[in-house]
Amino acid sequence: LAKTTQPISMDSYEGQEVNITCSHNNIATNDYITWYQQFPSQGPRFIIQGYKTKVTNEVASLFIPADRKSSTLSLPRVSLSDTAVYYCLAPFGNEKLTFGTGTRLTIIP
Amino acid sequence: ETGVTQTPRHLVMGMTNKKSLKCEQHLGHNAMYWYKQSAKKPLELMFVYSLEERVENNSVPSRFSPECPNSSHLFLHLHTLQPEDSALYLCASSQGTSGGTYEQYFGPGTRLTVT
Repeated sequence: LAKTTQPISMDSYEGQEVNITCSHNNIATNDYITWYQQFPSQGPRFIIQGYKTKVTNEVASLFIPADRKSSTLSLPRVSLSDTAVYYCLAPFGNEKLTFGTGTRLTIIP
Repeated sequence: ETGVTQTPRHLVMGMTNKKSLKCEQHLGHNAMYWYKQSAKKPLELMFVYSLEERVENNSVPSRFSPECPNSSHLFLHLHTLQPEDSALYLCASSQGTSGGTYEQYFGPGTRLTVT
């Protein structure tokens, strides 16, 4: 299992770009990096997934350097509704998803 | 209904009661999951079903009994629970069980309180 490490919490002001970095030093060749978002008392929701370089969708961007030992989730111009816990996962092959403690992002008005 | 639904949304039960949680997915997926999330703790994977067959049981006490009658429905039968079992119970589904390949879709959860 590729162990991931991410900050426990982050604060940001509305309208700012937020970057959450996750390290996964022992990521395997076939692993994809996946991010989920969870609001209080709700189930997690898939945000984005990537293998290398950059992936962008309507919600976020994911930057993965060439060595793939880390990745950065970028949320453009955050709003109060982006306050949530963000999980970085890198399951190994057929392994099931293992959610850590995630990063608790608080957006300040 | 679309996505993954769970009933009931809230449940209060005594330690001697028997109750069941229900999950239904309308996505045509082959895999379903039960997770437990206690206050301020990470999600814990409890059970995994693939094509109605249990493929994983993460050392869950026998007072939790899952049932998957078909690929769209998943139940969690509860009996003689303890107060420490109070938590948010989440159901999820995905097309396959490979975590790195298949996105999981979660239901809204059942908030369980054991008194």
